[in-house]
Amino acid sequence: DTAVSQTPKYLVTQMGNDKSIKCEQNLGHDTMYWYKQDSKKFLKIMFSYNNKELIINETVPNRFSPKSPDKAHLNLHINSLELGDSAVYFCASNTGRGEQYFGPGTRLTVT
Amino acid sequence: KQEVTQIPAALSVPEGENLVLNCSFTDSAIYNLQWFRQDPGKGLTSLLLIQSSQREQTSGRLNASLDKSSGRSTLYIAASQPGDSATYLCAVRPNNAGNMLTFGGGTRLMVKP
Repeated sequence: DTAVSQTPKYLVTQMGNDKSIKCEQNLGHDTMYWYKQDSKKFLKIMFSYNNKELIINETVPNRFSPKSPDKAHLNLHINSLELGDSAVYFCASNTGRGEQYFGPGTRLTVT
Repeated sequence: KQEVTQIPAALSVPEGENLVLNCSFTDSAIYNLQWFRQDPGKGLTSLLLIQSSQREQTSGRLNASLDKSSGRSTLYIAASQPGDSATYLCAVRPNNAGNMLTFGGGTRLMVKP
C-alpha cells in the first residue's frame, strides 16, 4: 500500500549512458515532482508536472527529461550521464491542500 | 528568489529535553510551509503542514508555528526521545504556479539516551 514508489532503489552506471528512474503514486494526486538531493543533503526541485503543465527548474540540464505515461506515473530519463549527476533522486506528489508526499529515493552513482 | 535557512545545522541533546528548530525564509509570499523528517538513507516523511493563514499546527509531541510576516517558522519537539534522531527539513511553497517547494538545508538532530 505504498503511496509513492520509485524503482530502482539503487542505480550504478557509467558515464555517457542513458538511464531512467520510474515513479508511481497511488494517491490520485494531480501533480508530481522530481527532486535531487546532492552529497551535502541539500534538496532541490527539478520538475513539477500536472498533466497540463510542465515546469522546469531553470538550473536543470536538458539531459534530464520527465515523461508521464499517465497521471499516476512520472518517470525521469537522463541522457549522457555525467559524474556530477550522482545523487539521490526523489519523486513526490501533491495533495489538493499542497502537502507533498515523497518516495523512498533512488541513489544514482555514475562511475 | 526564495531562500530558506535552518538553524542550527546540527543539534545534540539528552533524552527528555524540549527543543526548538528554526526555519527562516526571505519571501513572505508563501502558500504554505511544511516540516519533514528524513532518516539516514530514507525518503522524507511529512510531519506538519501549515497553511499561510494559520499560525500553528500540532501533532503529538510536535508543534510548528508560522510567522509569515517575519519569515519564520519553528518546530518544537517536547520530551525528546532517541527515536526523534533524524534530519528535520522545512520547505516553503510559493503562491505562484508550479507548487515547487524550496527547502532549507536541514537540522541534524541527535537525541542521546
